[in-house]
Amino acid sequence: QKEVEQDPGPLSVPEGAIVSLNCTYSNSAFQYFMWYRQYSRKGPELLMYTYSSGNKEDGRFTAQVDKSSKYISLFIRDSQPSDSATYLCAMSDILTGGGNKLTFGTGTQLKVEL
Amino acid sequence: EPEVTQTPSHQVTQMGQEVILRCVPISNHLYFYWYRQILGQKVEFLVSFYNNEISEKSEIFDDQFSVERPDGSNFTLKIRSTKLEDSAMYFCASSEARQGGADTQYFGPGTRLTVL
Repeated sequence: QKEVEQDPGPLSVPEGAIVSLNCTYSNSAFQYFMWYRQYSRKGPELLMYTYSSGNKEDGRFTAQVDKSSKYISLFIRDSQPSDSATYLCAMSDILTGGGNKLTFGTGTQLKVEL
Repeated sequence: EPEVTQTPSHQVTQMGQEVILRCVPISNHLYFYWYRQILGQKVEFLVSFYNNEISEKSEIFDDQFSVERPDGSNFTLKIRSTKLEDSAMYFCASSEARQGGADTQYFGPGTRLTVL
């Protein structure tokens, strides 16, 4: 079983739609969860990070973590064509001396159509 | 806004040659990382570096790879004898490594390495 599973898509939605992106994971040691956005041939750009179970909102983006189900989600409200990108979930276990490796999902390719 | 920078953006090399990829992390960050992404695959951790030494490395990071912080601003990844399968995007990242807080890593734009 892969440590982090993410549907690669592609996912195509009309402008203004609510987008739901998801990842599941198997390693119960993961405590920190991030969502990155990656445009073609560019570096991952941090969107959201969460630590605890529950929801965290930032503008049109909401990150949700359910540690009991080992399931995380990213919701995008009022999606725009500029949201078209690949969305990567990433996670790491508890910090020891500070800093830690991230384990990424494969990324979901999203296209928001006009 | 501070950002991680990487040079060159694209490096083409012959198999067996040595390459050095360069990164300038965000200035107040203490942890530095290299990741790679083979075309069409996921981003994979290579190595983390803290206090002038490797703190963790993956199975990919074998004896052909080395990292160095030659001065107060640069962080480099050297591949001693490149192989065809080393062709990938290489991303540098850095983080503040605040004790008791999330290790939020910020990525550079990447160096595309092509080995012929």
